[in-house]
Order: sequence, then structure tokens, then C-alpha cells
Amino acid sequence: KNEVEQSPQNLTAQEGEFITINCSYSVGISALHWLQQHPGGGIVSLFMLSSGKKKHGRLIATINIQEKHSSLHITASHPRDSAVYICAVRIAGSARQLTFGSGTQLTVLP
Amino acid sequence: DVKVTQSSRYLVKRTGEKVFLECVQDMDHENMFWYRQDPGLGLRLIYFSYDVKMKEKGDIPEGYSVSREKKERFSLILESASTNQTSMYLCASTKGGGGNTGELFFGEGSRLTVL
Repeated sequence: KNEVEQSPQNLTAQEGEFITINCSYSVGISALHWLQQHPGGGIVSLFMLSSGKKKHGRLIATINIQEKHSSLHITASHPRDSAVYICAVRIAGSARQLTFGSGTQLTVLP
Repeated sequence: DVKVTQSSRYLVKRTGEKVFLECVQDMDHENMFWYRQDPGLGLRLIYFSYDVKMKEKGDIPEGYSVSREKKERFSLILESASTNQTSMYLCASTKGGGGNTGELFFGEGSRLTVL
């Protein structure tokens, strides 16, 4: 079983819809990252969370440490949000830094 | 603008060739990483380094070596490229001398094809 599970694997939405991507993990962590990867491009860090909630523009990330769960929300989705969204956790006490989820492919249709 | 720069976006090499992938960061970060990304397998750690001349194996180090002679530069070396090393290679860096702190910065990736 993977230490980091993302759902859904694929998501298609209409422009303007509210989107939620989920991430569950089974290990103790010191932080959780949400990353975005556009086709053919590098990876951009969206959020780093250790507790609570963060907001940046139309993006909101939450984490529940007790339930070992995080969500990434996109409000008023737009075709330019189409990308792969990756959850990654920093395992507590590990020098290996990050364990990655398999990613969620989001397609937002105009 | 802070940056992680990978030397080549696209490379095509022949089986048996020696391949160098270079990564340079301008943020004075202690930690640097090499990952490969394959469809269905996600990102997998090849090697990481938390200081100059220090390196540790990740999950899939076989067939690879690394070099970190200067703080800003972390090189990935394929001594004898094979077709199963065809992949997207991503370099990343974070602040912190071995600790689990800091935002993660990625390069644009190097897509290697081995024929």
C-alpha cells in the first residue's frame, strides 16, 4: 500500500466548477506539499502545510493532522488550471525528504 | 526570481553512452535531489545530497551516480545509458542542512530518450 494516496486519479470539470482533490497518508509527517505540473513543464510548489488552512487566490489547501488527510480546492475553475496536481509529504524524522502521491490529472473544459 | 536550472530540456542518447544531467540552484540551498518521473509510477527519488560532497541513495539508485562538488550544483550521471532509463528527470532543492524544512523548488525537467 502506498504511503500517500490521492483521489481521484483523473478529474474533468466544466469551467467555473468548484474542484476538490484529496490526499491521504499513513505515516507521521512534518509537512505536506501540494505541487502543480503542467504538460511538458516543471513542477511548481503551490502550498506547504503543517496544520490548518492556506489560501492563495482561487486555491485553498487544508490539512487535518489527526485524520492524516489533506484537500486542495480550486474555486471558479478555469481551463488554465488543467494540470497534474501532486501531493507530497515530508516524513517526520526522515532525511529522504518527500514521499509523493501518484498525482491527479485535472482537465477543465471551457 | 529564484531558480533551479537544469542544463538540458531534451536529450537523445544511444545505449551505452555516458550521460551527464546538470542542475544548478541560485538559492544557497543545502538540500538537492534528483527524481525520475514515469507514467503510472509518479516521482521516485534517485539520489539526494544535503551538503557539498555528501550524497545518499534514494529509492532507485541503480545505474546512476551523482556529484556535488559545489553547493549550487548537483549532477546526475548515467555511466552507461540503457533504454529503461528513458524518462523525465527532475532536480529539486530545499533549504535546510538535512532538516525537514523549507519550500521545495523544482527545475523544468530533462526528458531523456535512450535509443
